[in-house]
Amino acid sequence: DIQMTQSPSSLSAFVGDRVTITCRASQSIGTYLNWYQQRPGKAPKLLIYAASSFQSGVPSRFSGSGSGTDFTLTISSLQPEDFATYYCQQSFSTPLTFGGGTKVEIK
Amino acid sequence: EVQLVESGGGLVQPGRSLRLSCAVSGFTFDDYAMHWVRQAPGKGLEWVSGISWNSGRTAYADSVKGRFTISRDNAKNSLYLQMHSLRAEDTALYYCAKGVLGPVAGHFEYWGQGTLVTVSS
Repeated sequence: DIQMTQSPSSLSAFVGDRVTITCRASQSIGTYLNWYQQRPGKAPKLLIYAASSFQSGVPSRFSGSGSGTDFTLTISSLQPEDFATYYCQQSFSTPLTFGGGTKVEIK
Repeated sequence: EVQLVESGGGLVQPGRSLRLSCAVSGFTFDDYAMHWVRQAPGKGLEWVSGISWNSGRTAYADSVKGRFTISRDNAKNSLYLQMHSLRAEDTALYYCAKGVLGPVAGHFEYWGQGTLVTVSS
């Protein structure tokens, strides 16, 4: 099974900050990497698929990059509605697996 | 508008069975893979199972293999998860999620709001 490791597990930031979350796969997965946002009490929402492709309606301050084993999700200017937990997920092979999540909190 | 509505959750004793359903609308159901993803209280996301558009391929997490069965009825735009031999560690919010065109392996484009399964005596 492919293990996904996210870091950090949590972070505190100010509105307007640039935030970067990393995700590492235990083996090469090409660009089969997706990012989700989950606000408290809500279902997850797809932000980025195939490492860097935007899901329709996602603000342009979100971007994804990487290939192989190392990936990043960047929020260029953190907004109040961005405080949430973010998960990466590999879609290279089953069983599909998620990272442990990164909780982004207000500083 | 894409909608996925889960049902069938509830309180069940360890060792018993439960069947979850997901009613889908707003897209051509029989073109897409479908999935179940769960989230234990206060924990992260765990993929449970996926099924291809024509039921030709199914896949399971090791934690549920042999106990859970995923199925779909394309005529009814519905996805199911039959769960047997339930354990306390199966307690979670179970989400139905829309996959991609074709293969089971893919991302989850839309999610339902979830149905809560609690396994306890």
